[in-house]
Amino acid sequence: EIVMTQSPATLSVSPGERATLSCRASQSVSSNLAWYQQKPGQAPRLLIYGASTRATGIPARFSGSGSGTEFTLTISSLQSEDFAVYYCQQYNDWYTFGQGTKLEIK
Amino acid sequence: EVQLAESGGGLVQPGGSLRLSCAASGFTFSGYFMSWVRQAPGKGLEWVANIKQDGSDKYYGDSVKGRFTISRDNAKNSLYLEMNSLRAEDTAVYYCASLYSGYFLYWGQGILVTVSS
Repeated sequence: EIVMTQSPATLSVSPGERATLSCRASQSVSSNLAWYQQKPGQAPRLLIYGASTRATGIPARFSGSGSGTEFTLTISSLQSEDFAVYYCQQYNDWYTFGQGTKLEIK
Repeated sequence: EVQLAESGGGLVQPGGSLRLSCAASGFTFSGYFMSWVRQAPGKGLEWVANIKQDGSDKYYGDSVKGRFTISRDNAKNSLYLEMNSLRAEDTAVYYCASLYSGYFLYWGQGILVTVSS
């Protein structure tokens, strides 16, 4: 099983600043990597697929990069609605998720 | 508007059974692989099962293989999860989701299953 490790577990950032979230795979997943946002009491929402393609309706301030084993989700200028938990997911070999990064207001 | 609505959750005793349903609307249900994904309280996400568009192929995570059965009825735009021999560690919010090229495109709001005596 491919293990996905996200860091940090919690990230404190001020509104308007940039947030950088990391995701590492235990073996190469090529570009078969997705990112999701989850707010309390809500279902996850797809943000990014193919490591760097924004899903329909996702603002341009969200961007994804990386391939192989190292991936990054960047939110360029944090809005109040962006504070949530973010998960990465690989789909190169079945499906596994990272443990999540909680993005909180500083 | 795409909608996925789960139902059938609740409290069940260890060793018991439960059947979840998911009603889909707003997209061509029969054109998508469908999945169940779960989330234990305060924990991360875990893929549970997939089913092919026509129901001919089914795939399961190791933790539920042999105990859970996924099925669908395209005429009713519905997805199901039959859960048997339930354990405390199956306690979670269960989401139905559409699968597209490996990622989960649309998600339901989730339904809580609690396994406890």
